[in-house]
Amino acid sequence: KNEVEQSPQNLTAQEGEFITINCSYSVGISALHWLQQHPGGGIVSLFMLSSGKKKHGRLIATINIQEKHSSLHITASHPRDSAVYICAVSLRQGAQKLVFGQGTRLTINP
Amino acid sequence: KAGVTQTPRYLIKTRGQQVTLSCSPISGHRSVSWYQQTPGQGLQFLFEYFSETQRNKGNFPGRFSGRQFSNSRSEMNVSTLELGDSALYLCASSVKTGSETGELFFGEGSRLTVL
Repeated sequence: KNEVEQSPQNLTAQEGEFITINCSYSVGISALHWLQQHPGGGIVSLFMLSSGKKKHGRLIATINIQEKHSSLHITASHPRDSAVYICAVSLRQGAQKLVFGQGTRLTINP
Repeated sequence: KAGVTQTPRYLIKTRGQQVTLSCSPISGHRSVSWYQQTPGQGLQFLFEYFSETQRNKGNFPGRFSGRQFSNSRSEMNVSTLELGDSALYLCASSVKTGSETGELFFGEGSRLTVL
């Protein structure tokens, strides 16, 4: 079993829909990261969180440390949100020693 | 402020050769980490450097090595290339030290093809 599991692996939705991507982990962490990767490869960090909830524009990320679970929500989704979303955890023994989920490929149709 | 710069962006090598990839972090960032991305294995951690010292190493063979210079620029080297080393190699920098978690800023990556 992978240390970081994401669901779903693929998600297709219509423009305007509310999107939720889930991430569960089984190791001790110092922080959890949500990353976005567009075709071509470049990765952008969306959120880094160790507790509670963060919001940036239409994106919201939450984490429940006791349940070892995090969610990424996208409100009013748009075709430009189409990308691969990756959950990664920073291990306690090394902040940049990330363990990655397998990613969720999101496609938003107009 | 310039972002994380990786060079070269694309390169093709043949089996048995060696390759050196470079990463220039954001000015002021002293932590640099490297990751490998392949279709089969996804993203995997390679190394983490802070102040010219390797803080952590991932589960890769000794053919993979790296270093960090006094100006925080980092290089990684892969010797005796194998077909399976074909991948996107990503570098990230952070202002935080290796023991504190800071936001990571990624470069565009170096795409290596081994023939």
